[in-house]
Amino acid sequence: AQKVTQAQTEISVVEKEDVTLDCVYETRDTTYYLFWYKQPPSGELVFLIRRNSFDEQNEISGRYSWNFQKSTSSFNFTITASQVVDSAVYFCALSLYYGQNFVFGPGTRLSVLP
Amino acid sequence: DSGVTQTPKHLITATGQRVTLRCSPRSGDLSVYWYQQSLDQGLQFLIQYYNGEERAKGNILERFSAQQFPDLHSELNLSSLELGDSALYFCASSETGSGSYNEQFFGPGTRLTVL
Repeated sequence: AQKVTQAQTEISVVEKEDVTLDCVYETRDTTYYLFWYKQPPSGELVFLIRRNSFDEQNEISGRYSWNFQKSTSSFNFTITASQVVDSAVYFCALSLYYGQNFVFGPGTRLSVLP
Repeated sequence: DSGVTQTPKHLITATGQRVTLRCSPRSGDLSVYWYQQSLDQGLQFLIQYYNGEERAKGNILERFSAQQFPDLHSELNLSSLELGDSALYFCASSETGSGSYNEQFFGPGTRLTVL
């Protein structure tokens, strides 16, 4: 069975600090997808990134970057120079290539203080 | 705005009752997924429909059922409601049947409160 762990329940940082959200996953399959979603206070889920298990290249998108390490089954998410608008709950998720469903982690609540 | 619409936004009902949640996918998307988000269970996948047929089943209770209509909108029916069914119910859609390969776009959710 698949499992996603986000050990950090809540994180508080001051604006402009960098912050890393951890995600550790478990699966016996060799082909899978990993995702990050953001859930701002308004409640909707916003897709941030998808990474497949064959692509370990790190990715940077503006202030966001993702570090995928298959050796440690981790897919960590870093926000550089955090802003108040980054305050949200962030979910890491795992899906098998041939699976249609997602397994979500419990989420990390990030509070960015002005 | 993801393009996925869900109605109603809020629903308050009593234990034992039955409710129907509605979802309209993005234009062109053939798959609809239902998720439940509750404080104790977190985000859980319930069920997926692809072009009118059930494609995958997750942690969906027997008291719950769903269907996807020819116009591709979907309804999630929750019956014999219990207090523990109070949650935020999300609908998502994707272009094809593979929710892994294609990005899922989430609706704003329906907040169900069972009193």
